[in-house]
Amino acid sequence: AQKVTQAQTEISVVEKEDVTLDCVYETRDTTYYLFWYKQPPSGELVFLIRRNSFDEQNEISGRYSWNFQKSTSSFNFTITASQVVDSAVYFCALSAPGAGNKLTFGGGTRVLVKP
Amino acid sequence: AAGVIQSPRHLIKEKRETATLKCYPIPRHDTVYWYQQGPGQDPQFLISFYEKMQSDKGSIPDRFSAQQFSDYHSELNMSSLELGDSALYFCASSVTSVGEQYFGPGTRLTVT
Repeated sequence: AQKVTQAQTEISVVEKEDVTLDCVYETRDTTYYLFWYKQPPSGELVFLIRRNSFDEQNEISGRYSWNFQKSTSSFNFTITASQVVDSAVYFCALSAPGAGNKLTFGGGTRVLVKP
Repeated sequence: AAGVIQSPRHLIKEKRETATLKCYPIPRHDTVYWYQQGPGQDPQFLISFYEKMQSDKGSIPDRFSAQQFSDYHSELNMSSLELGDSALYFCASSVTSVGEQYFGPGTRLTVT
């Protein structure tokens, strides 16, 4: 069975602060994919990033960066210099070809960026 | 770029009525997924189709059924609606069954 845990339910920051979202996952599959999605107040789910289980290289894309560590089953996500438009619920998700490729989501972390 | 299209965007039904939600995947995407997101909850997988065949099934009630048609669009049929079916229903599509899933805007179903 797959499981994704986002321990932080809500984070509130002031604009320009950095925000790090924690994600811990469980899976028995050796090949799997990890995702971050953003859900703004309008409700749509926006794909942000995907990493596969064989690529632990951490990258930066604009103001987004992520830290994937298989040893601790963690896939943390950081927004640098947050902006009000970053206010949303962020979901970490896991899929595995061996499990039908369906997405298993964490409970989400609500990020509130205040001006 | 073309995105996943869902219709209708909003739907209000009464208890025991039926509802049909439609999903049009991104062109050349052959896999469609349906998810249900209750208020304040994370999306939950319902069912998926690959090349018009059901590929996986999650916690989908027996009152719900779905199919994927020859043009790859998919429909989710919901009967005997209950108050607890009120949710945001997302459709997602991907290229092959292992590609990243791109979500439609969702259909907000309200059952009164």
